[in-house]
Amino acid sequence: EAQVTQNPRYLITVTGKKLTVTCSQNMNHEYMSWYRQDPGLGLRQIYYSMNVEVTDKGDVPEGYKVSRKEKRNFPLILESPSPNQTSLYFCASSFFAKANTGELFFGEGSRLTVL
Amino acid sequence: SQELEQSPQSLIVQEGKNLTINCTSSKTLYGLYWYKQKYGEGLIFLMMLQKGGEEKSHEKITAKLDEKKQQSSLHITASQPSHAGIYLCGAGTSGTYKYIFGTGTRLKVLA
Repeated sequence: EAQVTQNPRYLITVTGKKLTVTCSQNMNHEYMSWYRQDPGLGLRQIYYSMNVEVTDKGDVPEGYKVSRKEKRNFPLILESPSPNQTSLYFCASSFFAKANTGELFFGEGSRLTVL
Repeated sequence: SQELEQSPQSLIVQEGKNLTINCTSSKTLYGLYWYKQKYGEGLIFLMMLQKGGEEKSHEKITAKLDEKKQQSSLHITASQPSHAGIYLCGAGTSGTYKYIFGTGTRLKVLA
């Protein structure tokens, strides 16, 4: 089954404790991206990757890191989480890198709480 | 920078009623996506529009992109409780690899 898989789905952590949210897709997609969803602010793009080893900042990259060492994986790293990073996070992928060229497939979401 | 504005922000309708959700862009759209989200869950792709005047349907949901490609509407005919959720419009910003989304419209359908 074609899908985007995120882990963990739910996580409660404390300020400053490094964490990684994994994202994996099995569709051989070039493009992968991360978003956070907050009440009243909608879905905002954190980082995106056009292909292996090629990443760039979205609209809200502060406090996050990413890497794309393999085509299928695109982990989101929070080196020192803070309470303002409490949010619902989504990973998405698309076959072609350029925007508006096809469906953007979303994962189920990862709800992160930072105490 | 480009922005998407959705209206209304929330909507409560009686089962069987028709409804329309709008998504307006501050710049020309070269691709407009509609997604449905159950509260706190993942996004389900509904449809993507690219051409001015284009209209697509999925079951009882119809979406249209206006001729000027700056506004899209999503119309639900004979709404059902299963239509309840958050509807999001999204777009790729022209010539880039970035996507933006509206803040969503919360729909509740009363049985």
